[in-house]
Amino acid sequence: DTGVSQDPRHKITKRGQNVTFRCDPISEHNRLYWYRQTLGQGPEFLTYFQNEAQLEKSRLLSDRFSAERPKGSFSTLEIQRTEQGDSAMYLCASSLTTLGGTGELFFGEGSRLTVL
Amino acid sequence: DQQVKQNSPSLSVQEGRISILNCDYTNSMFDYFLWYKKYPAEGPTFLISISSIKDKNEDGRFTVFLNKSAKHLSLHIVPSQPGDSAVYFCAGSTSGTYKYIFGTGTRLKVLA
Repeated sequence: DTGVSQDPRHKITKRGQNVTFRCDPISEHNRLYWYRQTLGQGPEFLTYFQNEAQLEKSRLLSDRFSAERPKGSFSTLEIQRTEQGDSAMYLCASSLTTLGGTGELFFGEGSRLTVL
Repeated sequence: DQQVKQNSPSLSVQEGRISILNCDYTNSMFDYFLWYKKYPAEGPTFLISISSIKDKNEDGRFTVFLNKSAKHLSLHIVPSQPGDSAVYFCAGSTSGTYKYIFGTGTRLKVLA
């Protein structure tokens, strides 16, 4: 399977703990995105990368959130000192905006976070 | 600030009939739009796109219409099939940014 993969698919943690999610994009894609989705809402933009450079970080992302994409390949999203309000589905997507790519997002299946 | 709005949270349609899903946007800088379909426990999957240089784009049973003056787009599915039952999201972006802002989604139920 050469699609976007996310790990873990489901994480249950206690309030105050740190969690990290990993995303492996489609290999030739230069853009990588993180979105958050809660029940009844659409995906909310969190941040995105072009290769290893983080282009923008949403104001939704507090200082407890950090994302990296070392070497422009996989990405990690870390949440420190989790709060119950962080419970959501974290979606990763990748896209190709060069070499004739049209920029459509290809999503992974998501990582569901439950904070108790 | 909800830049992309899908005001109908749900829609039910009989199998074989047309489904019309609507989307409005407020950001006049948006010039590229995507539609996605999402099944439970899966990530969204891309359906169809449209650029602001067009007012219509068609792909099989799916057609997207764009009315730039009204800042409105719609997705038509003809004929609707039970397998189309899912949540549909529209998303907009400004050319060159490829930063997509999504609407809240419309849940489509196609009745057999």
